[in-house]
Amino acid sequence: DAMVIQNPRYQVTQFGKPVTLSCSQTLNHNVMYWYQQKSSQAPKLLFHYYDKDFNNEADTPDNFQSRRPNTSFCFLDIRSPGLGDAAMYLCATSRDRGGTEAFFGQGTRLTVV
Amino acid sequence: EDQVTQSPEALRLQEGESSSLNCSYTVSGLRGLFWYRQDPGKGPEFLFTLYSAGEEKEKERLKATLTKKESFLHITAPKPEDSATYLCAVQATFGLTGGGNKLTFGTGTQLKVEL
Repeated sequence: DAMVIQNPRYQVTQFGKPVTLSCSQTLNHNVMYWYQQKSSQAPKLLFHYYDKDFNNEADTPDNFQSRRPNTSFCFLDIRSPGLGDAAMYLCATSRDRGGTEAFFGQGTRLTVV
Repeated sequence: EDQVTQSPEALRLQEGESSSLNCSYTVSGLRGLFWYRQDPGKGPEFLFTLYSAGEEKEKERLKATLTKKESFLHITAPKPEDSATYLCAVQATFGLTGGGNKLTFGTGTQLKVEL
């Protein structure tokens, strides 16, 4: 029944080694988001897609990139992970712009060694 | 800049002891206020959306209310399974990035309900 699925649940990567996190959805929602959440902190929006339209937050580091090849899938690429990028990465979807609730996946816990 | 402040940071209740969590917000124009529950190591689970002052929503032991400056999540006769972090988030009428989709979250209230 899972509607927003993130893989893997846990990812360990080496300092500076590129890593890709994936998200898929069965809801056919137009909007997909990537959030970063560090321990005891609020989730922080990195970027989102409205359909194919990509929207980057102003303070998202260039180290973070995203791809959305189709409606169902979205990827987060971290080109050169640093120790400070260790966090929970949350994918979410919403049916449309503004005022509609977002549904989150279970998250990917990223560890950088 | 949109801001969300939640209080208290942590709350410990006895089973059956009702209480309220607070979410204060400042936003240029409120499109929606959202409450989520987050269990350790998992993604947030949607609870409620509130759109305008005076609105209330209920689900089991939870009731969310909204004023022009804050929202409350009332927990009536809580049970240990209600233990979680409760997150509040706001969405402005129009964001700077592509049409107001951004959710701004608070840091949450960590609720622990004991037997």
